[in-house]
Amino acid sequence: QKEVEQDPGPLSVPEGAIVSLNCTYSNSAFQYFMWYRQYSRKGPELLMYTYSSGNKEDGRFTAQVDKSSKYISLFIRDSQPSDSATYLCAMSAGAAGNKLTFGGGTRVLVKP
Amino acid sequence: GAGVSQSPSNKVTEKGKDVELRCDPISGHTALYWYRQSLGQGLEFLIYFQGNSAPDKSGLPSDRFSAERTGGSVSTLTIQRTQQEDSAVYLCASSSDRVRHEKLFFGSGTQLSVL
Repeated sequence: QKEVEQDPGPLSVPEGAIVSLNCTYSNSAFQYFMWYRQYSRKGPELLMYTYSSGNKEDGRFTAQVDKSSKYISLFIRDSQPSDSATYLCAMSAGAAGNKLTFGGGTRVLVKP
Repeated sequence: GAGVSQSPSNKVTEKGKDVELRCDPISGHTALYWYRQSLGQGLEFLIYFQGNSAPDKSGLPSDRFSAERTGGSVSTLTIQRTQQEDSAVYLCASSSDRVRHEKLFFGSGTQLSVL
């Protein structure tokens, strides 16, 4: 079983809808949680960064972390066709130089 | 440069050949990471550099894989005697922040195809 599980999708939504993405994990040492967006043939780019449990909002994006359930979520409001991409969750225990553990990514398609 | 630069962007090689992949991190970034992304998969950690030293090589899949970093800048990932299962996108990332190292900036990767 993988340390971080993420539904591969694809997730298809109409423009303007809310996109809901999530990951579950097994390692209770994880403290830092991130969401990356990856367009085709590009490297991942950091969208959201959260330390420990709680919510964080940035524009149309909201990240939630529930450490008790080992579950993280990303919500995209008012989705746009330009949001069509693969979304990867990532997490780490936070020691200096500690590697990130990624989920497999969810492909999202926002239809105009 | 403005971002992490990787070369070549695409590499096709024959099974058994050696390949070298290059990463030029953002200027001043002390931390450098190599990841591998197979088709439809998430990113798999390979190796981490802090300056020129590699305190974590735990992700290198076999002794055919090696990496070095010189001058605290450019890094080269070498795969010897390539195998078909080595086919993947090899991504490099760098970071300037020792404490919050998780804020990685990725290059666009090298797509390696082993025939």
